[in-house]
Amino acid sequence: DQQVKQNSPSLSVQEGRISILNCDYTNSMFDYFLWYKKYPAEGPTFLISISSIKDKNEDGRFTVFLNKSAKHLSLHIVPSQPGDSAVYFCAASAASNYQLIWGAGTKLIIKP
Amino acid sequence: GAGVSQSPRYKVTKRGQDVALRCDPISGHVSLYWYRQALGQGPEFLTYFNYEAQQDKSGLPNDRFSAERPEGSISTLTIQRTEQRDSAMYRCASSLTGLETQYFGPGTRLLVL
Repeated sequence: DQQVKQNSPSLSVQEGRISILNCDYTNSMFDYFLWYKKYPAEGPTFLISISSIKDKNEDGRFTVFLNKSAKHLSLHIVPSQPGDSAVYFCAASAASNYQLIWGAGTKLIIKP
Repeated sequence: GAGVSQSPRYKVTKRGQDVALRCDPISGHVSLYWYRQALGQGPEFLTYFNYEAQQDKSGLPNDRFSAERPEGSISTLTIQRTEQRDSAMYRCASSLTGLETQYFGPGTRLLVL
């Protein structure tokens, strides 16, 4: 039973436009959510996070939105750049637990 | 500064052999994690250390898998009597403390023939 789901295996977006990556979760105990970005042949790198006490966190071109009632979060990248092409993983943890539960990832392709 | 390193990057072994995968965390990081990642999936937690103490090994799939971190720095994940289903990417991560951001190494791709 997947507790964190990324239903889109891939997403293609024009350079300069907005990229929206989605993530759904089932465990209502999750209170901390993270996005990681992964390039080929490298490990995942931390991108941005959000605590359940907030509904939005922004860092430059990256914004994460959290909708607790819908158990849904999304990552917005504006404007999208070619270097953003990567696999994006959503991860969640419960009650300050170090264990991260991961989604399967979404491959983002930015077209020039 | 140096990130998390793992060795070997690729390992091909025959079924029944033992393998040892090494993780060198970021210097000063107290916490170390091992994950396994199947193709097309996200990482799956295996085990967690704080300093040299193995705090949680609930994710280890069976007793053929073990891990140690004897001096609170480098860690080794050992798989005994490997089976084909053990083939996966094995990832190590470290963090300053247990609740901080986890930094990942490049992984070891294990293929059991």
